[in-house]
Amino acid sequence: EVQLVESGGGLVQPGGSLRLSCVASGFTFSDYSLNWVRQAPGKGLEWVSYISGNANGIYYADSLKGRFTISRDNTRNSLYLQIDRLTVEDTAMYYCATTRSGTPDYWGQGTLVTVSS
Amino acid sequence: NFMLTQPHSVSGSPGKTVTISCTRSSGDIAGNFVQWHRQRPGSAPTTVIYEDDQRPSGVPDRFSGSIDSSSNSASLTISGLKTEDEADYYCQSSESGNVVFGGGTKLTVL
Repeated sequence: EVQLVESGGGLVQPGGSLRLSCVASGFTFSDYSLNWVRQAPGKGLEWVSYISGNANGIYYADSLKGRFTISRDNTRNSLYLQIDRLTVEDTAMYYCATTRSGTPDYWGQGTLVTVSS
Repeated sequence: NFMLTQPHSVSGSPGKTVTISCTRSSGDIAGNFVQWHRQRPGSAPTTVIYEDDQRPSGVPDRFSGSIDSSSNSASLTISGLKTEDEADYYCQSSESGNVVFGGGTKLTVL
């Protein structure tokens, strides 16, 4: 069974940093590309970043470039998202999701990031 | 970058059929696969259609996806509506490494 479990969210002050993690199981992790997707309270889904299976391909949403860094450790079946200089607009549930040709996307349950003073 | 436009809301009665559209603003809808994701209140999204018209295992055949090049749009059709289908539905596609979501459609089963 495919499982994705995010962690690392919490309450942080504006200007702070966070590192989100997503641990995967139930599939060959390195065969899958991954995305981070966020959802602000009461809003729709917003794509944040993509990383290919071997990490050679990395993309970010144009509006978010510069403060977000995606990475992965295939030896630990883990995906990461470093977020720096957090603002209140970054308050959202952050989801990791797989993407691979010929298979449906799988989603984690999300980790909540709240930016507030 | 392109945009995907969905109706804000649709509704239908139990047992009826509804269709949710997703129109691509630029570029060819057939050039990149379209996925559809369902999000029930308080839950994470799950994929109900991938690669335009493929159903993941466990998704009933009441759900179907299609694309129409003439209108540059994709559609999600749900037949035999059930109250459990009430949720937000998002279309999604990509191009050149960028992933785009539609704004979401709230389906109400009356």
